[in-house]
Amino acid sequence: AQSVTQPDIHITVSEGASLELRCNYSYGATPYLFWYVQSPGQGLQLLLKYFSGDTLVQGIKGFEAEFKRSQSSFNLRKPSVHWSDAAEYFCAVVPLSGGSYIPTFGRGTSLIVHP
Amino acid sequence: DSGVTQTPKHLITATGQRVTLRCSPRSGDLSVYWYQQSLDQGLQFLIQYYNGEERAKGNILERFSAQQFPDLHSELNLSSLELGDSALYFCASSALQGYNEQFFGPGTRLTVL
Repeated sequence: AQSVTQPDIHITVSEGASLELRCNYSYGATPYLFWYVQSPGQGLQLLLKYFSGDTLVQGIKGFEAEFKRSQSSFNLRKPSVHWSDAAEYFCAVVPLSGGSYIPTFGRGTSLIVHP
Repeated sequence: DSGVTQTPKHLITATGQRVTLRCSPRSGDLSVYWYQQSLDQGLQFLIQYYNGEERAKGNILERFSAQQFPDLHSELNLSSLELGDSALYFCASSALQGYNEQFFGPGTRLTVL
C-alpha cells in the first residue's frame, strides 16, 4: 500500500543547532514530494517541493530537503534552528499516476526548540 | 495570510446536529480541497471541487457533503454529528485542477459535545 512515514513524532533541538526531519514514502514510482509547516492555530504553509531535477531543493525560511531515490526519502534540513521554527512539520506526497493529484500527508513531526 | 478564508473559526455543537463550514478560496483559484485533521487520524483528504464540479473523493463519510458555488466559495456540510467528528477542518485552494501548490486556510475547529 502507498504510504508516507515520518518516524519521529517529536524532535527537540536547541536554538542554533542543526535540524533534520525524516520522511520516507512507499509508492510505485517517484511521486511529487512536499514539506509543509503548521504553526499553532494556523493552516499549513508550503516550505518546499520536489517535482524532478536537482535532488537538493531550497525552500523558504532557510529550509532545504534532499530527495534520495534509493532510500525513498525526502528529509528536511536546516543548518541553524530559530525559536520561531517551533511548529508541526508535515511531509506530503502526490502520486504521478491516476490523475487525481490528491496528496497523502505523513502524521507530522512536532519540533520543539529550546533556548 | 494565504488568501483562503474559512468561517467560522470555532464551532461547538451537540451530537446529532448539522453544521455548515464555509471556505472562500484565493482570488482566481478554481480548485477547493477539504481536509479533516484529528489527533488519531492525522490530516485526511475529504473531497475536491474544481470550478463547481466534484473532482476527487477521499475518506469522506456519507453524513458529510460539500459543494462549490458559482462564485467558487465552498461549503462543507456535516450532519448527524458524532463525538468523533470533533476535529480541525481545513480548506485549501489551488489554481488548477491538476496538482500544484495548495494554499491552506486557517481552519475551523469543530467540537461536538
